[in-house]
Amino acid sequence: AQKITQTQPGMFVQEKEAVTLDCTYDTSDPSYGLFWYKQPSSGEMIFLIYQGSYDQQNATEGRYSLNFQKARKSANLVISASQLGDSAMYFCAMRDPGRPSGYSTLTFGKGTMLLVSP
Amino acid sequence: DGGITQSPKYLFRKEGQNVTLSCEQNLNHDAMYWYRQDPGQGLRLIYYSQIVNDFQKGDIAEGYSVSREKKESFPLTVTSAQKNPTAFYLCASSRTASSTDTQYFGPGTRLTVL
Repeated sequence: AQKITQTQPGMFVQEKEAVTLDCTYDTSDPSYGLFWYKQPSSGEMIFLIYQGSYDQQNATEGRYSLNFQKARKSANLVISASQLGDSAMYFCAMRDPGRPSGYSTLTFGKGTMLLVSP
Repeated sequence: DGGITQSPKYLFRKEGQNVTLSCEQNLNHDAMYWYRQDPGQGLRLIYYSQIVNDFQKGDIAEGYSVSREKKESFPLTVTSAQKNPTAFYLCASSRTASSTDTQYFGPGTRLTVL
């Protein structure tokens, strides 16, 4: 069974500093995808970044990068140069092929609340 | 603009009533999903559909029903059999059901049972 663990219920960071949000996962399938989403107070889930299990390089999207350590089964999100607008809940999620049923679904962690202070 | 719309944004229901939440997408995506989010929690999968006229139960399907008669629409009915329906409901879609395809979300519907 899949499992996603986010051990940090809340994180504080000062504006312009970098912050790392932790995520560990568990799956027995060699093929999977890892996703990070941001949920501001408005409630919508905003896709940030994706890492495939076979990708050789860590994914980057602007100020977001994913520190992917496959052997440790961790996929930490790094936000560089934090901004006040980064204050939100952040969710790590994993999707595997869903063998043997073939139905692939997305499993979410419980999230980390990030607060950016001026 | 392409995207996912959900309506209504807020919904109030009396106990014992069924209610239907709308989800429409114009992204030409094959797969669609419904999630439930409770305060301080992650998302839990209710139902998903990989293609028109096909859908599967997720982790918490009891008390819910769906239909997928059109590619762009995936309505969710919360029935009176759902014991604790007050929650935030999010609809999502992805190009296919592949594990590498990103799911994109609508703005959500907040359901309150009075």
